[in-house]
Amino acid sequence: EVQLVESGGGLVQPGGSLRLSCAASGFTFSNYWMHWVRQAPGKGLVWVSHIEIGGNNTTYADSVKGRFTISRDNAKNTLYLQMNSLRVEDTAVYYCARESADSFDLWGRGTLVTVSS
Amino acid sequence: SYELTQPPSVSVSPGQTASITCSGDKLGEKHACWYLRKPGQSPVLVIYQDTKRPSGIPERFSGSNSGNTATLTISGTQAMDEADYYCQAWDSSTVVFGAGTKLTVL
Repeated sequence: EVQLVESGGGLVQPGGSLRLSCAASGFTFSNYWMHWVRQAPGKGLVWVSHIEIGGNNTTYADSVKGRFTISRDNAKNTLYLQMNSLRVEDTAVYYCARESADSFDLWGRGTLVTVSS
Repeated sequence: SYELTQPPSVSVSPGQTASITCSGDKLGEKHACWYLRKPGQSPVLVIYQDTKRPSGIPERFSGSNSGNTATLTISGTQAMDEADYYCQAWDSSTVVFGAGTKLTVL
C-alpha cells in the first residue's frame, strides 16, 4: 500500500526539541521531493519545509528558518524534521507530503506536536 | 511575501454548482492546485496544474486559472463535498497555501 506514516509528535515545553519521522512505503521514495506541512488547531494549512531528492537542497518557511532542519534517508525510506527552540505557536498537526507535478499527491495522517508549559 | 486569498465560506444547495476562488498576484502565470480536507482527515488533492484531476477524483470537480484568479468549480454538489478547500501555488522556492474556504452544502 502506498502510504506515509508520521511519528514522533508529543508534548514539549517551550524551548524544547522534537524529531519527527515520516516512513514511506509502497513507492520509490528516492524519486520524490518531500515536504512538511502543518495545521494549527482551528487554522489552515501552512507549508513548513521541503527537501529535494538527494537531500542536498532544502527550503524553509521564514517562521521556522534557523530552528527546524529537514532531512531524509533514502535507504530507510524516511523523512525527518528536527525541531529545536520550539515555541507555543509551533503547536500543530504536522503532515509529511509527497510532491508530484507541483502539488502534494500523497499525505500522511499527521502527528500532533503540542508546545506548552 | 506572496499571498493567496480565498473567501472564508461558500454555501451551495445540493445539486447546484459551487465556485471557490483563489486570488494572487499574477496567479495565472503559476500552477494552482486545490485540496479538500474533512474534519479528522488528511488533505486530499482534487485539482493540480490548474485543471487536472487526479485518479479517483469525480468529474464534477474542475479548475481554471487565469489572470489573478484560480477557481475550483464543483458541479452537482453533493453533501459529501462539504469540507474545507485550500488552494496552493509555488512562489520562487516556497509553497503558499490560501487560508481555506469552508464549503457548506445546505
